Amino acid sequence: LAKTTQPISMDSYEGQEVNITCSHNNIATNDYITWYQQFPSQGPRFIIQGYKTKVTNEVASLFIPADRKSSTLSLPRVSLSDTAVYYCLVGEVTGRRALTFGSGTRLQVQP
Amino acid sequence: DAGITQSPRHKVTETGTPVTLRCHQTENHRYMYWYRQDPGHGLRLIHYSYGVKDTDKGEVSDGYSVSRSKTEDFLLTLESATSSQTSVYFCAIRRTGTVRSDEQFFGPGTRLTVL
Repeated sequence: LAKTTQPISMDSYEGQEVNITCSHNNIATNDYITWYQQFPSQGPRFIIQGYKTKVTNEVASLFIPADRKSSTLSLPRVSLSDTAVYYCLVGEVTGRRALTFGSGTRLQVQP
Repeated sequence: DAGITQSPRHKVTETGTPVTLRCHQTENHRYMYWYRQDPGHGLRLIHYSYGVKDTDKGEVSDGYSVSRSKTEDFLLTLESATSSQTSVYFCAIRRTGTVRSDEQFFGPGTRLTVL
């Protein structure tokens, strides 16, 4: 499984755009990039997944450069409720495999 | 929530006693997982299952065993609990055959304390 590196923590203010970058230098051809969000005392929740270029859904955008060695999760206009830990995972999306979660990025949104 | 429940939700036990945690799903998903999460850490995979009686070890499987005799139930057993197994345990299923085929859904967690 490709190893990922992301910042331990980030701080932001309400209304700002937050970008969290994840490095995955040894990503394989069949690997997808997936981001999860976890609130205290809850299990992680899927946010977004992509393979290349840009993916956008109702919650976030995911930017993946051509070499796919990194990715950036973009949260537009964060609110206090976006305070959580965000995990970047890289791996195949089919077949017999399991996700490996790193330590994640702890995002703190201030009023 | 993909119909995932975990039981018990909280348990306090003593060192050396056996403990079994249950994960139950209602949507007939093939893939199920057990993770543990310790304060300040991400989730670490304990065991996972690809179907009935088909399981595999994760990165922290020592001291744990699992069983899957029915699609809907995935049991995690601590044969002889130790204080180092005090943790929050999450069960997850992976939904396949959809656009977001890598999406995992997690249960509410079980907080286990071993004294």
